[in-house]
This record gives sequence, C-alpha cells and structure tokens, in this order.
Amino acid sequence: GAVVSQHPSWVICKSGTSVKIECRSLDFQATTMFWYRQFPKQSLMLMATSNEGSKATYEQGVEKDKFLINHASLTLSTLTVTSAHPEDSSFYICSASLGPKRDTQYFGPGTRLTVL
Amino acid sequence: SQKIEQNSEALNIQEGKTATLTCNYTNYSPAYLQWYRQDPGRGPVFLLLIRENEKEKRKERLKVTFDTTLKQSLFHITASQPADSATYLCALESSGGGADGLTFGKGTHLIIQP
Repeated sequence: GAVVSQHPSWVICKSGTSVKIECRSLDFQATTMFWYRQFPKQSLMLMATSNEGSKATYEQGVEKDKFLINHASLTLSTLTVTSAHPEDSSFYICSASLGPKRDTQYFGPGTRLTVL
Repeated sequence: SQKIEQNSEALNIQEGKTATLTCNYTNYSPAYLQWYRQDPGRGPVFLLLIRENEKEKRKERLKVTFDTTLKQSLFHITASQPADSATYLCALESSGGGADGLTFGKGTHLIIQP
C-alpha cells in the first residue's frame, strides 16, 4: 500500500516552454502532497506544500509564479514549470502523507527534467 | 539556521559487518527524525521514524537511535548485504514556512562489498 506515482519519469524540453509533472497517490487519499527538488549530489529541497482544494504554500526562495502547483483532487497534484530555463533542470520528486499526523511521507519515483 | 549533517564521504563496509551512519543536527528541536533509502535516479523510500521520546527503534536488520541531548541519530544495518548499498538520508520536520514538509541531509552513500 501507500504507492505514489509520477508522470512523466523524464522529460526534455526547450528553454522557454512549460512542463507539467503529475503526482498521484494510487491506493490512498492524500490531503497533503509535497514537492521537492534535488540537484546532483545534493539533498532534497522542499519547494512547496500542496493541500487539496487550496493554494499551495511555497518555501522561501521558490517562485510561485514559476512553479505552479494544483491539487485538484485527493489523489492528484500537478507541478507546472513555466518558461523553463536550463537552471531548472533537476530531479523533481513529490510525496504524499498518509493519515492525519502527516509525519510519514511516501515518495514518488521522481521526474528528471532537462531543459535545453 | 537549521542544519543537518551526514557523513558526506562514501562508507565502505564488508558484507556481514554492521554499518553505522550518523546524522547530526543543529538549531532544531524536532519532534521526530526519519531515515530514508534512496537508490540512483529514484525517489526516497521510507525506512524508520523515531520520535523525540524514543531512544531506540528497530525494524528487522535496522536500528535507529535518537539522542536529543547530543542532537544526533545513529542508523545501523546489521549483517549488511551488497543489496543494502544505497544512499541513506536523514530527515527532520521542516520548521520553515512549508508546513509539515521535511528537511533532508545530503545523505551518506553506503557501499557493501562482497
């Protein structure tokens, strides 16, 4: 149980285009989902917290207009990287918390974004 | 500011021995600490959570200790196997603006040699 999927697993796009990444909880309902970014040999950095039916809460330094997050249902959150640039190339990982305590998070397999 | 430190060097352990990984933190008073395993190109996989009022927790060949005075957690893998080779991440609850997110250390790359 507690499986989280992401789509696509990898994407290559041209600079200036937008890319949408989906995060789904397959066998449970996730009131809260989280988006992280990981650069090579670096730790995961929390970008934003996504709550179903409300606006996402962004970490300091993360541009909300560039990284659009939509949490339309209890099983789906999307992250759209708008006007992508090469410096946005990274490994994007989502997670979902199970249960009301939200202390255990289940992670998706990640999406490798390469912006040319 | 909050900081999490893990052994940044790769840790080489002989198969069958116990691997011990360290996580130190500063400027935190976390209610819990977590350990994850991450394989290359994959998302982290949850292993264990230990709360501030727990000294030790075990799960099969894994053992975690949590010393809130030293601000340190130790992660042990006993009877290590080559399949245990991976990067192990320590994570604490974030105390920044993102409610309930996690702050991760950089991870320790563990290599179990046959």
